[in-house]
Amino acid sequence: EVQLVESGGGLVQPGRSLRLSCAASGFTFDDYAMHWVRQAPGKGLEWVSGISWNSATMDYADSVKGRFTISRDNAKNSLYLQMNSLRAEDTALYYCARDGSESLEAFDIWGQGAMVSVSS
Amino acid sequence: EIVLTQSPGTLSLSPGERATLSCRASHSISSRYLAWYQQKPGQAPRLLIYGASSRATGIPDRFSGSGSGTDFTLTISRLEPEDFAVFYCQKFGSYTFGQGTKLEIK
Repeated sequence: EVQLVESGGGLVQPGRSLRLSCAASGFTFDDYAMHWVRQAPGKGLEWVSGISWNSATMDYADSVKGRFTISRDNAKNSLYLQMNSLRAEDTALYYCARDGSESLEAFDIWGQGAMVSVSS
Repeated sequence: EIVLTQSPGTLSLSPGERATLSCRASHSISSRYLAWYQQKPGQAPRLLIYGASSRATGIPDRFSGSGSGTDFTLTISRLEPEDFAVFYCQKFGSYTFGQGTKLEIK
């Protein structure tokens, strides 16, 4: 079964750091680019960051640029999001999502999300 | 920067009716890069349509997508009870999402 499972969420104080992980299974992980998408409580979807299959290219939303770092370990079938200098507005459910590749330009597989709450 | 505007914000319909959801882009985009997602409460989004009109694996044929340039449409031909949810369009590449349309039971 193709699956993405996020972990590492929690409650953190403003200005602190947190690292999210996403474990992939059921497909050849290094065939695909990957992304993080977040959803603040009661709000819509916001793309956060993406990384190419070989880590050669990484992109970020302006709202997180300079604070968040995306990475992956293909040997471990894992995607990561290092979040530094967290702010209250970063509070959201963070999803990892698979990039469907050139033949399917959309996010075709999603995890169930990891909740990040930033509050003092 | 592409902005996607979805309308209406909320659509109230009954099972069996036809639903038409709109997604308008601030600039013309290739239909290749337009996707639609469905999100039910407490669940992750699910891909419905990619390339403006291609159904994702396992998506019933009552869901269809159309459009080009700046105007795109998601149509659900006959609503089933399980179809009521929030729907998002997305411009692939910049990965921008629309603000969503909530489809609720009338």
